[in-house]
Amino acid sequence: EIVLTQSPGTLSLSPGERAILSCRASRRVNSNYIAWYQQKPGQSPRLLIYGAFSTATGIPNRFSGSGSGTEFTLTINSLEPEDFAVYYCQQYGNSPGTFGQGTKLEVK
Amino acid sequence: QITLEESGPTLVKPTQTLTLTCSYSGFSLDTFGVGVGWLRQSPGEGLDWLALIFWDDDKRYSPSLKNRLSITKDTSKNEVVLTLTDVDPVDAGTYYCARRPVYGSGEGPFDRWGQGILVIVSS
Repeated sequence: EIVLTQSPGTLSLSPGERAILSCRASRRVNSNYIAWYQQKPGQSPRLLIYGAFSTATGIPNRFSGSGSGTEFTLTINSLEPEDFAVYYCQQYGNSPGTFGQGTKLEVK
Repeated sequence: QITLEESGPTLVKPTQTLTLTCSYSGFSLDTFGVGVGWLRQSPGEGLDWLALIFWDDDKRYSPSLKNRLSITKDTSKNEVVLTLTDVDPVDAGTYYCARRPVYGSGEGPFDRWGQGILVIVSS
C-alpha cells in the first residue's frame, strides 16, 4: 500500500500568513487522486480538496491544492483564526486508500 | 441536506463482535458511483479507512482487517452496517461513516461525514 508522509508535523503560524503543507507518497498516486481534509478538535474531518487541486463545495478560495506524482501540497493563503486545525491528506488512486499522519497547524 | 449518523454500542468486550449502523439521508445509495464507507480514528491518532460499499453492492475492505470485517447495505432503510468480529483493545476509537461521492474513485474521497461514534473495548 502507498504510505503518505506529511510534513511538517506541526506548523506554527500567525493569522494572515500563508501555510504550505506537504504530502509525499511512497510511490506515484494514480491520476493524482489526492484529497485534503481539515479536522478540528471534537469534529469530523471536512473535505477541502480532491483530485489534488479541485476545491470541494463550500470551501473558501484561500485553500488550494497542487502537485502530481508523489509530491502534493495544500496551500492556505492569509490564514483565518478558524483555519488552525489538523490537516490530513488521503490518496485514493491506489487501493487501499491511505491517509497521512496529519499536520497540526497551530497559532504562533 | 445530506446527513450520516452512526449508531451502535459504545462499549464492547474483547473477542465480541462490534456491529455499527450508519443511517443516511439526503442522497441515494442506489445512484451510480455513490458509496458509503467506514473509517476509524484511534484516540489521538490519524485516520484509517476500513470498508466501503458501492451503489452496485461492490464491497472493499482494508487488507489488514479484511478477515474480520463485513459491510452491508439496506437501501430501503437508508442504512449501511459494519461488522467487526473478535474485537481487541486496539480496535477502540471513533468510527465514522462517510459518503464517497459520484466524482470519487476507488476508496475516496469522502465528502460528507457522520459525527462519529466512540467505541471502547474493555472487559
